[in-house]
Amino acid sequence: DIQMTQSPSSLSASVGDRVTITCGANESIENYLNWYQQKPGKAPKLLIFGASSLESGVPSRFSGSGSGTDFTLTLNSLQPEDFATYYCQQSYSTPWTFGQGTRVEIK
Amino acid sequence: QVQLVESGGGLVKPGGSLTLSCTASGFIFDDFYISWIRQAPEKGLEWISHINNSGKTTYYTDSVKGRFTVSRDNAKNSVYLQMKSLRGADTAIYFCARQYYDGSGFRLDYWGQGTLVAVSS
Repeated sequence: DIQMTQSPSSLSASVGDRVTITCGANESIENYLNWYQQKPGKAPKLLIFGASSLESGVPSRFSGSGSGTDFTLTLNSLQPEDFATYYCQQSYSTPWTFGQGTRVEIK
Repeated sequence: QVQLVESGGGLVKPGGSLTLSCTASGFIFDDFYISWIRQAPEKGLEWISHINNSGKTTYYTDSVKGRFTVSRDNAKNSVYLQMKSLRGADTAIYFCARQYYDGSGFRLDYWGQGTLVAVSS
């Protein structure tokens, strides 16, 4: 199984900050990498697919980059509604696997 | 609008069985794979199974292989997850999600709200 590792596990940030979350795979997954946002008590929501494509309806302050084994999710100008947990997920080979999550908290 | 609704969760004793349902609306159901993903309390996401659009191809992660069975009834726009020999480690919220595919690969683009399965004596 492909292992996905996110860092950091949690971070504190203020409204307006720029936040970067990294996700690494233990083997190349080309660009088959998706990012999800999950708020407490809710289902995950797709943000980014194919490493860098923004899902319809997702604000442009979210962006993704990377290929191969190293990927990044960037949140520009953090908004109050962005405080949540973020997960990366590889869709290169089954079983699909998720990173352990990054909790973004209010400073 | 696209909707997926899970049902069938509950409290079950270790070794017991339970069947979850995922009923979809708002899209052409038999055009899409459906996945099951679970989340143990205060833990991350674990993808456990998917079924292709015809129902003829399924996949299971090792932790549930041989105990869980996924099936679908396209006439009812529904997918089912039959769970047997349940263990405490199976305690989780179970989500179903639509699996969309294009040149950018697979992604889970719509999710249900989840149903809680608690395995305890």
